[in-house]
Amino acid sequence: QQQVKQSPQSLIVQKGGISIINCAYENTAFDYFPWYQQFPGKGPALLIAIRPDVSEKKEGRFTISFNKSAKQFSLHIMDSQPGDSATYFCAARDSGGGADGLTFGKGTHLIIQP
Amino acid sequence: NAGVMQNPRHLVRRRGQEARLRCSPMKGHSHVYWYRQLPEEGLKFMVYLQKENIIDESGMPKERFSAEFPKEGPSILRIQQVVRGDSAAYFCASSSEISRDIETQYFGPGTRLLVL
Repeated sequence: QQQVKQSPQSLIVQKGGISIINCAYENTAFDYFPWYQQFPGKGPALLIAIRPDVSEKKEGRFTISFNKSAKQFSLHIMDSQPGDSATYFCAARDSGGGADGLTFGKGTHLIIQP
Repeated sequence: NAGVMQNPRHLVRRRGQEARLRCSPMKGHSHVYWYRQLPEEGLKFMVYLQKENIIDESGMPKERFSAEFPKEGPSILRIQQVVRGDSAAYFCASSSEISRDIETQYFGPGTRLLVL
């Protein structure tokens, strides 16, 4: 059972455009939602994270939008740059005593065209 | 370098051999997590350890896989009698003991295991 569904699988955006990646989850006990960025041959790096008590969090060009009732959250990358080309993973965690590891989506390959 | 360190970065084993993967958490971190990533897949949680204790091994295969985090030294993920299906990237992550920071996991560069 895939607990975090991520879409799209791949995404091509023009430089300067907005990249949008969506995730949906099933486990209502999840209460921590990070996004990770991974370059080829590297480990995932934390980009931004949100808790369900807020509907939006912004850090620089990266914004998480969170819809608790729909059990969905998304990553928006504004003014996308070629250096943003990477694989992005959404994840979720139940901090209250469930499994301690993060549950990851399958990833989105993002390509920013110059 | 204060980041999470993993070694070796690449490991080649023949079927039936043992693979031993090492992880040194970030300085000041005492929580270690192991994940496995298959090609074109997300990371799958395997095990969560604190010093000398396995806290959650719900994602660990029941046979051939074991993990430890001794009082001194790195965390070790051991895979006995490897099979081709064990070929994957194995990532270690660590987090702080400080409660407000505990959920932030920092990942190492991974060990790419290839079983011939």
